[in-house]
Amino acid sequence: DGGITQSPKYLFRKEGQNVTLSCEQNLNHDAMYWYRQDPGQGLRLIYYSQIVNDFQKGDIAEGYSVSREKKESFPLTVTSAQKNPTAFYLCASSIVGRPEAFFGQGTRLTVV
Amino acid sequence: EDQVTQSPEALRLQEGESSSLNCSYTVSGLRGLFWYRQDPGKGPEFLFTLYSAGEEKEKERLKATLTKKESFLHITAPKPEDSATYLCAVLLQGAQKLVFGQGTRLTINP
Repeated sequence: DGGITQSPKYLFRKEGQNVTLSCEQNLNHDAMYWYRQDPGQGLRLIYYSQIVNDFQKGDIAEGYSVSREKKESFPLTVTSAQKNPTAFYLCASSIVGRPEAFFGQGTRLTVV
Repeated sequence: EDQVTQSPEALRLQEGESSSLNCSYTVSGLRGLFWYRQDPGKGPEFLFTLYSAGEEKEKERLKATLTKKESFLHITAPKPEDSATYLCAVLLQGAQKLVFGQGTRLTINP
């Protein structure tokens, strides 16, 4: 079945550590996105990519980094520079020019 | 500033009690409006896309409508399994990214 797979589902990190969240899709979509969701707030865009080896900052990119070495994969690294990293992280993908985005099941990151 | 506001924040209904959720937007140029359903701890599930004022889309007990300033998600005779958070998002002219509202948490009591 085609879809978007995020792993792990739950992740715990100590303060000062970097951590990488995985996102893989087999929908053959060119565009991929990372969003952050906090309680009572809408989804906020962190980074997005429309083509391999290219990506753009979203609204809240500080403290995060991404790479897009393969069409299928768009990992997100939460660095120690992110001041408040505890949140629910969502990865999405879409066809460029078709804006309906399809989401993975999310990774809940907790800093301990 | 482009803004999307959903109301109410939370809504409790009895099974079978129809109602509407609102998504109002103030944006520089609308290319499309999207509705998603999100269950607790899960990713959003795509429901509808609306592109122009007057457009309507239906799926089971849900119907989405669009005007020049807002969209409504009408739910007719809801069932407990319709309980979820409903998210509205807009796609701006010249942009590839979605701008989301904060969501409406809908609870249907049996």
